[in-house]
Amino acid sequence: EAGVAQSPRYKIIEKRQSVAFWCNPISGHATLYWYQQILGQGPKLLIQFQNNGVVDDSQLPKDRFSAERLKGVDSTLKIQPAKLEDSAVYLCASSLEGVRARDTQYFGPGTRLTVL
Amino acid sequence: GQQVMQIPQYQHVQEGEDFTTYCNSSTTLSNIQWYKQRPGGHPVFLIQLVKSGEVKKQKRLTFQFGEAKKNSSLHITATQTTDVGTYFCAGRVWTGKLIFGQGTTLQVKP
Repeated sequence: EAGVAQSPRYKIIEKRQSVAFWCNPISGHATLYWYQQILGQGPKLLIQFQNNGVVDDSQLPKDRFSAERLKGVDSTLKIQPAKLEDSAVYLCASSLEGVRARDTQYFGPGTRLTVL
Repeated sequence: GQQVMQIPQYQHVQEGEDFTTYCNSSTTLSNIQWYKQRPGGHPVFLIQLVKSGEVKKQKRLTFQFGEAKKNSSLHITATQTTDVGTYFCAGRVWTGKLIFGQGTTLQVKP
């Protein structure tokens, strides 16, 4: 079974530039998550999709971050414009259903973003 | 807001020694999950605990969920160099959201 795919793996940009990350979840997984992991911290949920609908985006800085999952499969996360404090690893995860209390999340390799 | 605290932040042990990390939630949890993240890697699911007082074992790893479903622990017996990494607990709150702790980074000296 193929895992969660993410690209790019690394990205270096200057502040105020824009950047986009792509995620392809495990086939058949209805729920997709984007997490931000700052060095030395645990992953923090940015947004959760159930199919192509948003379930939770309470911690997404909506003035600069946006995400979409148009066809309920792939997803993109965009930052525009980037700030220095956005430097982090952006992890995508997927789960079979997500809303069930016992669902397991599978993480992709992440995209390491450095903002200079 | 809802928080999941994890201690210690770092632990250095000699190979063969035991290791324990503790996780504490500010609210009652539906369940708790544990993940391991190797250096430069991504979190990998280890186990999920659901019932109050539940204890599960995976070889040298023992996971416990507290009676009040607000705390949990992971104990590794006789550590090996392959155990190196950061161990995260993630508590699921009533809304269904998973909240990760800060992680405990384990270093094992051969």
